[in-house]
Amino acid sequence: DAMVIQNPRYQVTQFGKPVTLSCSQTLNHNVMYWYQQKSSQAPKLLFHYYDKDFNNEADTPDNFQSRRPNTSFCFLDIRSPGLGDAAMYLCATSRVTGNEQFFGPGTRLTVL
Amino acid sequence: GENVEQHPSTLSVQEGDSAVIKCTYSDSASNYFPWYKQELGKRPQLIIDIRSNVGEKKDQRIAVTLNKTAKHFSLHITETQPEDSAVYFCAAKNAGNMLTFGGGTRLMVKP
Repeated sequence: DAMVIQNPRYQVTQFGKPVTLSCSQTLNHNVMYWYQQKSSQAPKLLFHYYDKDFNNEADTPDNFQSRRPNTSFCFLDIRSPGLGDAAMYLCATSRVTGNEQFFGPGTRLTVL
Repeated sequence: GENVEQHPSTLSVQEGDSAVIKCTYSDSASNYFPWYKQELGKRPQLIIDIRSNVGEKKDQRIAVTLNKTAKHFSLHITETQPEDSAVYFCAAKNAGNMLTFGGGTRLMVKP
């Protein structure tokens, strides 16, 4: 089945220790998104890629970076995680922007 | 930018009753309004969406209505079942072609 896959599902890191979360998709969608979600709050968009074009939300901290080496994969790098970065990180894809988004299962990040 | 308000934040209904969740949006140019259901610990999943050229859309027990003049849209679930218990998010497509999400409604269906 075509889908959005995230690895790992659970990630524990130490305060200040860089961490990378990964997302892959078999939908061949042009757009990939990264969201941060805390405690059943609304997902908060961090950034998105339309093909290779990177688009950062204005209030996304510099601590968060992303890479999209090819159509299928997208990575979220947190350079120096703080306690406030503990959250669920959701990857999503859509064929074009403004269309239905398909979400991955998320990676729950714990910062010790 | 787009602002989406969602009410109520929690909703408890008896099994078999109807549930209604309402959202308002600020950008009159918004033209796409999806609803996502997120069960505990799981991914958000699209359950229904509506575009601005339509006033109502129905899929079995779920319906969405859109009032463009008043800039609000609502999710209606009839004959609720315990498996409908989840957090529901409305969203609106903003000027940047991104989705702005409402704050979520926790729906609890009591057997």
